[in-house]
Amino acid sequence: QKEVEQNSGPLSVPEGAIASLNCTYSDRGSQSFFWYRQYSGKSPELIMSIYSNGDKEDGRFTAQLNKASQYVSLLIRDSQPSDSATYLCAVNSPGDYKLSFGAGTTVTVRA
Amino acid sequence: GAGVSQSPRYKVAKRGQDVALRCDPISGHVSLFWYQQALGQGPEFLTYFQNEAQLDKSGLPSDRFFAERPEGSVSTLKIQRTQQEDSAVYLCASSPRTKAGELFFGEGSRLTVL
Repeated sequence: QKEVEQNSGPLSVPEGAIASLNCTYSDRGSQSFFWYRQYSGKSPELIMSIYSNGDKEDGRFTAQLNKASQYVSLLIRDSQPSDSATYLCAVNSPGDYKLSFGAGTTVTVRA
Repeated sequence: GAGVSQSPRYKVAKRGQDVALRCDPISGHVSLFWYQQALGQGPEFLTYFQNEAQLDKSGLPSDRFFAERPEGSVSTLKIQRTQQEDSAVYLCASSPRTKAGELFFGEGSRLTVL
């Protein structure tokens, strides 16, 4: 079982809609959770980090964390064509230096 | 340089050749990571440096892979006797912290082994 699982998509949403991305992880002791965005042919860039259960909002992005269910999600409100990218979920376990990444969910926003 | 710089951006090697990939991290960043990203997959961890010390090389797929960061700044990932399965994008990332968190990625080096 992979440490971090994501639906690969593609997820197609109309412009202005909400895109909902899901991620589950296997290490119950994980403490730090991140969402990276990767445009085609480009490198990943951090868009959200979350450490505590609940919601964290930053502009049009909301990250949701449920440690009991080992589940983290990302909502993109008012989706724009510029949001079309692959979104990578990354998880860090305590005492570990590295981030473990999921395979990514590809999002396409239709104009 | 404002960001992480990697070179070469593209490398084509014949099977069996040795390759060297360079990473110039953001100045002052203590942590440096190498990741391998295959097409359609997420980045897979290869190795981690804290300054010049290689603290974790558990992700290196074989003894053909070697990484160094001798002065705690620039890092080189070397792959000896390349195989077709080594074809991937090799991403370097740096961080100002010693704990995993926000990583600043370079644009990557795309290696194609024929």
